[in-house]
Amino acid sequence: DIQMTQSPSSLSASVGDRVTITCRASQGISDYLAWLQQKPGKAPKSLIYAASTLQSGVPSKFSGSGSGTYFTLTISNLQPEDSATYYCQQYESYPFSFGPGTKVDIK
Amino acid sequence: EVQLVESGGGLVQPGGSLRLSCAASGFTFSDYAMNWVRQVPGKGLEWVSSITRSGDTTYYTDSVKGRFTISRDNSKNIVSLQMNSLRAEDTAVYSCVAGSASKMWGQGTLITVSS
Repeated sequence: DIQMTQSPSSLSASVGDRVTITCRASQGISDYLAWLQQKPGKAPKSLIYAASTLQSGVPSKFSGSGSGTYFTLTISNLQPEDSATYYCQQYESYPFSFGPGTKVDIK
Repeated sequence: EVQLVESGGGLVQPGGSLRLSCAASGFTFSDYAMNWVRQVPGKGLEWVSSITRSGDTTYYTDSVKGRFTISRDNSKNIVSLQMNSLRAEDTAVYSCVAGSASKMWGQGTLITVSS
């Protein structure tokens, strides 16, 4: 089974900052990597699939990169509405697996 | 508008059974593999089960193998999860998710397994 890790587990940044979240897979997953955003009390929302492709309607302030075992999610020009928990998910092979999440707070 | 609406949640005793259903609309249901993902309130996401577009292949996380069964009806745009021999550790919000890359999510339904 493929294990997903994320770092940091939480971060606090200021409005306007650029933040980067890292996701690592325990074995190579090519680009079968998705990023999800979850706000409190809400269902997760898909941001990115195939490691770097934005879902329709997702603002370009979100960007993803990586391949193999190392991936990043970058949020530019951080705004209060970006406060959420972000998860990575591999879908290269079953069982699918999620990272533990990174909580992003606004200072 | 894309909608995934789960139903069937509730309180059940350990060892009991529940059947979850998810009604899909607003997209071509048969174009997507379908998944169930669960989340203990305040905790992370856990993939539970998937079914291919045609319904001919299913997958399960180890902890539910032999107890849960996923199925789909492409004529009715419904995916279901039959849950038997429920345990306290199955307590979570169960969400229906479209696509292997988790493109579309339902709001979820809470399953509480407790005596």
